[in-house]
Amino acid sequence: DSGVTQTPKHLITATGQRVTLRCSPRSGDLSVYWYQQSLDQGLQFLIQYYNGEERAKGNILERFSAQQFPDLHSELNLSSLELGDSALYFCASSVQSAYSGANVLTFGAGSRLTVL
Amino acid sequence: GDSVTQMEGPVTLSEEAFLTINCTYTATGYPSLFWYVQYPGEGLQLLLKATKADDKGSNKGFEATYRKETTSFHLEKGSVQVSDSAVYFCALNPNTGFQKLVFGTGTRLLVSP
Repeated sequence: DSGVTQTPKHLITATGQRVTLRCSPRSGDLSVYWYQQSLDQGLQFLIQYYNGEERAKGNILERFSAQQFPDLHSELNLSSLELGDSALYFCASSVQSAYSGANVLTFGAGSRLTVL
Repeated sequence: GDSVTQMEGPVTLSEEAFLTINCTYTATGYPSLFWYVQYPGEGLQLLLKATKADDKGSNKGFEATYRKETTSFHLEKGSVQVSDSAVYFCALNPNTGFQKLVFGTGTRLLVSP
């Protein structure tokens, strides 16, 4: 158990629908990152939050949004879902956000989204 | 931009064989380098890391040396086990002011008894 908790583990939904993925970071970690893992794109960085504030954005679609709450858990909202959004969505956490090459990300087990 | 290139898989080996998984990177500045491992049905776990040139990361018999002159961070293990079967990801942190990992495409390793 990495200490990063993601729910749900699996989710099947239809095109056009909206889903919310949830992540609880490891105790003491202030930063949360979201990654998408698909067969054709590999692991893509989506977005990062630090202590409730957005810090970095990657290849996140406009249909996707995220937030980090005061208790530091984070939610990734995916809307107007398309078949191509089917993927594993990973959350990771780390202690700090500032420049630190040694800062290590701890990953959750992922949420597998299937869009039919 | 920053990128990581890994050898294509799958890599198929017999138990106790020597393993090399090649990884090269492109980055401006001085990145930190990582190897993560993903076992079936699980998330990514940090295997080892190196934060500056000539550093050697090691863990569980795996090693990788940060080679700035060849922009490489190849993963090696002298004697693989069936339990090492997994997908291995090379990654870099550009160290450009915020934490972000750029991953390679992953290399699947299959070890047979």
